[in-house]
Amino acid sequence: DQQVKQNSPSLSVQEGRISILNCDYTNSMFDYFLWYKKYPAEGPTFLISISSIKDKNEDGRFTVFLNKSAKHLSLHIVPSQPGDSAVYFCAASAPTSGTYKYIFGTGTRLKVLA
Amino acid sequence: DAGVIQSPRHEVTEMGQEVTLRCKPISGHDYLFWYRQTMMRGLELLIYFNNNVPIDDSGMPEDRFSAKMPNASFSTLKIQPSEPRDSAVYFCASSFEQGGQPQHFGDGTRLSIL
Repeated sequence: DQQVKQNSPSLSVQEGRISILNCDYTNSMFDYFLWYKKYPAEGPTFLISISSIKDKNEDGRFTVFLNKSAKHLSLHIVPSQPGDSAVYFCAASAPTSGTYKYIFGTGTRLKVLA
Repeated sequence: DAGVIQSPRHEVTEMGQEVTLRCKPISGHDYLFWYRQTMMRGLELLIYFNNNVPIDDSGMPEDRFSAKMPNASFSTLKIQPSEPRDSAVYFCASSFEQGGQPQHFGDGTRLSIL
């Protein structure tokens, strides 16, 4: 039973356009969310996070949006660059409930076309 | 600045053999996590430690899997006996003061059981 779902296994976007990656969760106790990026043969690297007290967090070209009522978060990359081609994982945790483990989605493979 | 170090990077062995994966976390980090990545289930948490003590091993699939952390700078994940369905990429991650801190991942061990 996947508590964190990334329903799009892959996405292709033209260079310079916006990439939107989506993530849904089912556990209302989750209150901290992260996005990780993973290149082949490397470990995931932290990209951006958001706490449930916010609905948006921005870091350069990357913005994460959180819709708590819909239990949905999204990652926007603007403008997309070929170097952004990677697998993106969303993750959720419930630290204020004392649950420190992250639950990861299955990932979305982004391909940015030059 | 050394990151999380995993060894070996690749392991190929025959069914029934014992497999030991190793991890050196980032110095000063007091949480250590073991994950398994498969196509079907994405990144699954197997077990995590806090200050060398196992906190949650509910993700360990079977008794064939065991993990230890004898000191703050070393952890092992052992599979005995190994089976073909254990083939996956295994990641180790560490973090400092969990509860909102991102985890830092190693580059993983790609395990193939023939």
